[in-house]
Amino acid sequence: EDQVTQSPEALRLQEGESSSLNCSYTVSGLRGLFWYRQDPGKGPEFLFTLYSAGEEKEKERLKATLTKKESFLHITAPKPEDSATYLCAVQARDSNYQLIWGAGTKLIIKP
Amino acid sequence: DSGVTQTPKHLITATGQRVTLRCSPRSGDLSVYWYQQSLDQGLQFLIQYYNGEERAKGNILERFSAQQFPDLHSELNLSSLELGDSALYFCASSAQGGFGEKLFFGSGTQLSVL
Repeated sequence: EDQVTQSPEALRLQEGESSSLNCSYTVSGLRGLFWYRQDPGKGPEFLFTLYSAGEEKEKERLKATLTKKESFLHITAPKPEDSATYLCAVQARDSNYQLIWGAGTKLIIKP
Repeated sequence: DSGVTQTPKHLITATGQRVTLRCSPRSGDLSVYWYQQSLDQGLQFLIQYYNGEERAKGNILERFSAQQFPDLHSELNLSSLELGDSALYFCASSAQGGFGEKLFFGSGTQLSVL
C-alpha cells in the first residue's frame, strides 16, 4: 500500500537554529514528491516538486532533497515567519494522478 | 493569493441539514479537487474533476456529492450532516490535473455541525 510518513510531528527551534524535516515514502513508482507549507486556517501553499533521486531544489532558507526512499526539507537559519506546518505528498504511477499526503510537521521558530 | 476562491469561509449548521460549498478555480485551470482536513485525519482527498467530468474519487461519503459546471466552478454538496463532518474543506485547482502539477488551494470553508 502506498504510504507517506513525516517526522517529527512537531519541531521547536530557536531563530537561526538549522534543522531538517523528514518525509519517507513507500509507493509503487514515484512520479513526483511535493512539499507544501500550510499556515493556520489557510490552504496549503506549494513549495517544491522533486521527480528523481538526487534532485535538489532551493527557495530562500529552504532546501528540499530526494532519495529513493525519503525526502528532506532542510531549513537554514530559520526565522519566526517560517513557522508553519510543512506537508509532504507523493504522486505514484498507479495513483490515477492523486496525491498521497503525509500528516505534516508543525514547525515553530521561537525568536 | 492563490487565485482559488471558496465561499463561504465559515458555515455553522445542525445535524441532518444539507449545505453547499462553492469553489472558483484559478483562471485557466481545468481541474478542481476537493479535500477535507480535520485535526485527527489530516488532508483527505475527496474528489477530482477535469473540465466538467469526474476524474477520480477518494474517500468521499455517499452523503457527499460534487459537480463541476461549464464555467469550471465547482460545488460540493454535503447532506444528512453529522457531527463528524465538522472540518475544514479545501478546494484546489491545477492546469490539467496530470502528473507533476502543483495544486493551488483556496482558503477553505470551515464547517461546524452542531
